[in-house]
Amino acid sequence: QSVLTQPPAVSGAPGQRVTISCTGNRSNIGAGYDVHWYQQLPGTAPKLLIYGNSLRPSGVPDRFSGSKSGTSASLAITGLQDEDEAEYYCQSYDISLSAHVVFGGGTKLTVL
Amino acid sequence: QVQLVQSGAEVKRPGASVKVSCKVSGYTLSQLSMNWVRQAPGKGLEWMGRSDPEEGEASHAQNFQGRVTMTEDTSTDTAYMELGSLTSEDTAVYYCAIMNVYNSNFPDWGPGTLVTVSS
Repeated sequence: QSVLTQPPAVSGAPGQRVTISCTGNRSNIGAGYDVHWYQQLPGTAPKLLIYGNSLRPSGVPDRFSGSKSGTSASLAITGLQDEDEAEYYCQSYDISLSAHVVFGGGTKLTVL
Repeated sequence: QVQLVQSGAEVKRPGASVKVSCKVSGYTLSQLSMNWVRQAPGKGLEWMGRSDPEEGEASHAQNFQGRVTMTEDTSTDTAYMELGSLTSEDTAVYYCAIMNVYNSNFPDWGPGTLVTVSS
């Protein structure tokens, strides 16, 4: 079971808006650590999509946005496109035990 | 732009060890924080740990304590991850990934190395 909780799956039609939640606790997101998001296409390595809660690396479309509040964070995708169908992971830092870096369990986005 | 090239797929027997390499180009390995992340088939990402010889310490996730060794050869800019006492649950794709030390994210990833543990 992952330290950060994500819904297993979300879906949306092309052009729609979807959100993916990432819920942590007071030892990770709630402790003030940044949340980062990754997109993983089948058979490929994860790609950094959002860092520092809401910042986009160069080349990431502004259709992708991130936010954080309290012990949770969210990834929003607007104007959904077929190529957005992928697995999405959140990641943060945790001060408990030795699991310094923690990932969410992943969310499969299906474009209908 | 940093590039990471990993060693090829491996098949190991239960109880054996595996050593995966990750060669860095575009930067000097000693300038980077090299981490290892694995992904079992159909499962999520699991952080294994990082090596940081410059700070003189390595950090491993509790699940791998005593079973994993992460080393670096700065003469060839190659990082290594060795995992011992393999079981079928260690079957996974192993990624090397560079950590941005300022905010602990991973902007650069290797392509992954599939390790299959089977009798």
